[in-house]
Amino acid sequence: KQEVTQIPAALSVPEGENLVLNCSFTDSAIYNLQWFRQDPGKGLTSLLLIQSSQREQTSGRLNASLDKSSGRSTLYIAASQPGDSATYLCAVAPNTGGFKTIFGAGTRLFVKA
Amino acid sequence: DAMVIQNPRYQVTQFGKPVTLSCSQTLNHNVMYWYQQKSSQAPKLLFHYYDKDFNNEADTPDNFQSRRPNTSFCFLDIRSPGLGDAAMYLCATSRAAAVLEPQHFGDGTRLSIL
Repeated sequence: KQEVTQIPAALSVPEGENLVLNCSFTDSAIYNLQWFRQDPGKGLTSLLLIQSSQREQTSGRLNASLDKSSGRSTLYIAASQPGDSATYLCAVAPNTGGFKTIFGAGTRLFVKA
Repeated sequence: DAMVIQNPRYQVTQFGKPVTLSCSQTLNHNVMYWYQQKSSQAPKLLFHYYDKDFNNEADTPDNFQSRRPNTSFCFLDIRSPGLGDAAMYLCATSRAAAVLEPQHFGDGTRLSIL
């Protein structure tokens, strides 16, 4: 059974710091991995999607890597800003067919001004 | 802008009183999903529609039902809400197989049970 774990559960950093959020999954048989952002009381916004054949994706100050064989992904945020404060969730799509997406519980990030 | 809209944003109902949450989309996506998210937990997929084909997750309680009358609208019905059903309910869409494209989420409906 696929399980997704995100560590740490919460993180507080000063503005300007580069930071890494971690995601691990137990079954490497996936189609893709996504990183989402969730602001308090809001839905999820897709940040980056990495197909299983890819190693990384970049968008602005965000870079996500995928090591499928070890069941790990990282989200790197460069030069963090207070506006980056949110919960970041990763999710995997198992390649067992169907449309199931399995989420981690997220890392709550607070960037201090 | 094309988007996924959930109504209402906040819903309060009484224990055991049926409630319906709605979701509409202007993206013309053929897949629509309903997730349940409790505080500080991962979103949990309840079911999804691929066009008119309904797909229920094995562990979704029978108390939860869904309807999709057309491409644009999808409803979540909770027949007899219990205190444990208090949560944020998220609707999402995707154009094709979720494996290929990211899902687009609405802002959710926060359900409270009195």
